[in-house]
Amino acid sequence: ETGVTQSPTHLIKTRGQQVTLRCSSQSGHNTVSWYQQALGQGPQFIFQYYREEENGRGNFPPRFSGLQFPNYSSELNVNALELDDSALYLCASSSPGQTTNEKLFFGSGTQLSVL
Amino acid sequence: SQQGEEDPQALSIQEGENATMNCSYKTSINNLQWYRQNSGRGLVHLILIRSNEREKHSGRLRVTLDTSKKSSSLLITASRAADTASYFCATFSGGYNKLIFGAGTRLAVHP
Repeated sequence: ETGVTQSPTHLIKTRGQQVTLRCSSQSGHNTVSWYQQALGQGPQFIFQYYREEENGRGNFPPRFSGLQFPNYSSELNVNALELDDSALYLCASSSPGQTTNEKLFFGSGTQLSVL
Repeated sequence: SQQGEEDPQALSIQEGENATMNCSYKTSINNLQWYRQNSGRGLVHLILIRSNEREKHSGRLRVTLDTSKKSSSLLITASRAADTASYFCATFSGGYNKLIFGAGTRLAVHP
């Protein structure tokens, strides 16, 4: 167990809807990253939050947005869902005491299906 | 685009055999990591090797790194059915903890 929890575990939405995914980081971790993993592929970096500010973004459109709260938990919001958004969404946290380029602790993910 | 590319894409072996997975990457790195993923769920960190290291061991895992060839290998010795999973190599890009993953190797270990 990594101590990173995500909710919900599974979610089914229809095209055009909006979705919010949640992540609680491991105790003491102030950095949260979100990844999208399509079936049979490796995870793709969406964005990272550090102390409530976005701190880097991958090649995802603006309809993917996020928040980080003072307790370092985080949300991923996706608007105007498309069929290709169907994927496993992973949250990862890391320790404030670490230097950059150290290991990440992943949650179990939210499986999103868009119909 | 993906930084790391694993080879083979899929590997099927019998319990007790060794499993070797390879990873190639494109840019210079500070370190390279290997992660494991069971049945499409969360990733678990296995091992990290730094750019100034050539080999590292952790239990039944052995990782090598060849920075001149921009490649790494993960060896799992005396495999078990419980080792059945997908294995990903990953490297960092940018000044923050943005991990770039390959497409992974799907390992099946048969009893």
